[in-house]
Amino acid sequence: SYVLTQPPSVSVAPGQTARITCGGNNIGSKSVHWYQQKPGLAPVLLIYFDYDRPSRIPERFSGSSSGNTATLTISRVEADDEADYYCQVWDSNSDQSVFGGGTKLTVL
Amino acid sequence: QLQLQESGPGLVKPSETLSLTCSVSGGSITNSDYYWGWIRQPPGKGLEWIASMSYSGTTYYSPSLKSRVTISVDTSKNQFSLKLTSVTASDTAVYYCASLVGGGWYWFDYWGQGTLVTVSS
Repeated sequence: SYVLTQPPSVSVAPGQTARITCGGNNIGSKSVHWYQQKPGLAPVLLIYFDYDRPSRIPERFSGSSSGNTATLTISRVEADDEADYYCQVWDSNSDQSVFGGGTKLTVL
Repeated sequence: QLQLQESGPGLVKPSETLSLTCSVSGGSITNSDYYWGWIRQPPGKGLEWIASMSYSGTTYYSPSLKSRVTISVDTSKNQFSLKLTSVTASDTAVYYCASLVGGGWYWFDYWGQGTLVTVSS
């Protein structure tokens, strides 16, 4: 089955840019979606279709995907961005949804 | 916008069946733009997709759970349900229901708040 690989943790200082990667075989040919999850809460959709944002999501959050890596970029990081971030794809070859293992973002 | 709410027992005994229901409000479960799904998260771990389905009956299951899982829709109540048989302690998790959109590239746009199910005697 399809596997998505994320770094367990990323750290960034406030005001800097955080980049969270999601690796998968030829992931650039799929559509990647990203979620933010804060402790005790349900995940929230951040990015869909690689780079589209729901209207409620700030422009500081952006996505890209090419080759074997998709990237979630958070600009001008704020303390409130500290959370777990998950990538997800729908693997049409097997008709199943796949989540990455998640990345914990720490704001220093 | 859609709102989803999980309900069901918080404690299930080993070898028994876990049954959860997701009530949908703010929209119709028969909306063909949507699929409906279940995701779980063991304590301190990541997200695991369980199953998804359309109101018309198309179903998709995680291969690792397929033999034990059934997902179904009750259009009269605007609800969908999950049944997981022969549970063990490893099935202890927060279970989320969610709506899916994307016409083949499905993503989860609205989530329930989640419900913790503990498997223990």
